[in-house]
Amino acid sequence: KAGVTQTPRYLIKTRGQQVTLSCSPISGHRSVSWYQQTPGQGLQFLFEYFSETQRNKGNFPGRFSGRQFSNSRSEMNVSTLELGDSALYLCASSLVWAGEQFFGPGTRLTVL
Amino acid sequence: AQTVTQSQPEMSVQEAETVTLSCTYDTSESDYYLFWYKQPPSRQMILVIRQEAYKQQNATENRFSVNFQKAAKSFSLKISDSQLGDAAMYFCAYGNNNNDMRFGAGTRLTVKP
Repeated sequence: KAGVTQTPRYLIKTRGQQVTLSCSPISGHRSVSWYQQTPGQGLQFLFEYFSETQRNKGNFPGRFSGRQFSNSRSEMNVSTLELGDSALYLCASSLVWAGEQFFGPGTRLTVL
Repeated sequence: AQTVTQSQPEMSVQEAETVTLSCTYDTSESDYYLFWYKQPPSRQMILVIRQEAYKQQNATENRFSVNFQKAAKSFSLKISDSQLGDAAMYFCAYGNNNNDMRFGAGTRLTVKP
């Protein structure tokens, strides 16, 4: 069974631009969560989607948004990029909540 | 709000020895889940072990076991017979039924041959 895939793996943007990251969960998994990982802040929860509905959201500004499609694939969007948005963005999928989360390899976003 | 604290930024262990990584958490909820995740240098995060708060028995997965002290809100990970492949960042995580997941800052484990 294929694992969680994230595209692109690396991305370089400049301040003020916007970016869209994509995540394809493991087949059959309906829950997709997004995290931001930085050396200073560690792993922080962004949001979780289940059956196209955002069920929970972390403490991030409205510039961070996401959505989930009917095939459970998910995208997250960051608008008006800031230098502090440079991070590794991880996506994780699970069959049920509080079950094991399977992580993707992440997308490394660099904002110049 | 739930918080997860890992007080050991770095730990090292000799190959074949045992090491314990500490984790404490703060919550007012009675129903929750605790996890230890491993993130090797390749960056793919994988689940090491999982504990449901309602279970009194400590979870065990081969060389990995936890010491879950619910009253003390402590959830330590013991790695026995450490191997070179155990070298990684280890994250303690808390999850609840509101679909929220909180991670500790991580402990970098070095295994010395």
